[in-house]
Amino acid sequence: SQQGEEDPQALSIQEGENATMNCSYKTSINNLQWYRQNSGRGLVHLILIRSNEREKHSGRLRVTLDTSKKSSSLLITASRAADTASYFCATDDGNQGGKLIFGQGTELSVKP
Amino acid sequence: NAGVMQNPRHLVRRRGQEARLRCSPMKGHSHVYWYRQLPEEGLKFMVYLQKENIIDESGMPKERFSAEFPKEGPSILRIQQVVRGDSAAYFCASSPVGAEKLFFGSGTQLSVL
Repeated sequence: SQQGEEDPQALSIQEGENATMNCSYKTSINNLQWYRQNSGRGLVHLILIRSNEREKHSGRLRVTLDTSKKSSSLLITASRAADTASYFCATDDGNQGGKLIFGQGTELSVKP
Repeated sequence: NAGVMQNPRHLVRRRGQEARLRCSPMKGHSHVYWYRQLPEEGLKFMVYLQKENIIDESGMPKERFSAEFPKEGPSILRIQQVVRGDSAAYFCASSPVGAEKLFFGSGTQLSVL
């Protein structure tokens, strides 16, 4: 079964607005990661948050993690047209190292 | 330092043929992962390998699919007797020992006619 489930499935905003994407998961985890995928390309790692962390920042990205609700959110502030992409959350399965399990993704469209 | 290299970028096969997808991990990375992505969907885990060893193949279909990561050379994902349902983008990722994040290649788009 799919570990991570993102919502919304698609999000369309204007440049300069903030974009928030949410992810829920089912099992215990060591960390949760967010990846970005431009159309027809491979995924690129954005940020990792550990299970004992609640919030993390990287540039215009802000990630939160609520392990009691098994959910995470990714906030992109002051969005740009170049942020247009699909965003995926990924979790491990509670084991150190090893595979990641990806959600269905949120397709973000930022209009100039 | 070159990234994860996958080839071919596009592969067209007729039903019943074999497809061989190649993946060269980043330099210094000893772990390789294969994922499949159908249109409008997320990535589905297939298999996780180290050199000469399959660690986790829980996502691999029981028949027609196999993967290897030999001591020398790239990792190979092999699909025998392809069917239309095998059409998808296949992504390879690699990581060093003990790492948590994955580095992805640009994928191979397999089209089965």
